[in-house]
Amino acid sequence: AQKVTQAQTEISVVEKEDVTLDCVYETRDTTYYLFWYKQPPSGELVFLIRRNSFDEQNEISGRYSWNFQKSTSSFNFTITASQVVDSAVYFCALSERSGSGTYKYIFGTGTRLKVLA
Amino acid sequence: EAQVTQNPRYLITVTGKKLTVTCSQNMNHEYMSWYRQDPGLGLRQIYYSMNVEVTDKGDVPEGYKVSRKEKRNFPLILESPSPNQTSLYFCASSLSPQGERGYTFGSGTRLTVV
Repeated sequence: AQKVTQAQTEISVVEKEDVTLDCVYETRDTTYYLFWYKQPPSGELVFLIRRNSFDEQNEISGRYSWNFQKSTSSFNFTITASQVVDSAVYFCALSERSGSGTYKYIFGTGTRLKVLA
Repeated sequence: EAQVTQNPRYLITVTGKKLTVTCSQNMNHEYMSWYRQDPGLGLRQIYYSMNVEVTDKGDVPEGYKVSRKEKRNFPLILESPSPNQTSLYFCASSLSPQGERGYTFGSGTRLTVV
């Protein structure tokens, strides 16, 4: 079973539209971390945000905002007034303790966002 | 500048010819990891290392080896590459195993095995 599910494979929006990228996770840990990364066309992976499991406060950073809801095991990412530069693949990730006591960092399959001018 | 350096960026090789992809970080991070990225599959962990001389398998370790003799370096070794190892590879490091401050990724190595 997928631990981190990004059901939206690809989304296309027109510039200035708002867009929400969904992320649903599965874990039995009570302490875990959630992340979003951006992979622009140039290919590098850029860290955007992390959330720990005890902090359900939503966060806003400029045009980006994140909605963490433990009740639905979701950590969604919204871009307001999208721009062409937002075009990228976005990955959601989960860090949790594995059965052997170490930590595993698990990525979703990514959502490709295309923002059209 | 704090960074993870991977080399080479691009590599084309033939089946069976041993190769090494190097990874080095200058942040004194304890935790390092290798991922491969394939279309539709996201990033899958190959191996990780909690510290010097401590390594363990990730989800797709078959056909790969790693070593961690120094804290800063974590090379990925393909002893006998095969075409199904054609992929985009990323090295990453973090301050702690939980990665709670996020990973720092290298620029990626695009490997083609013919």
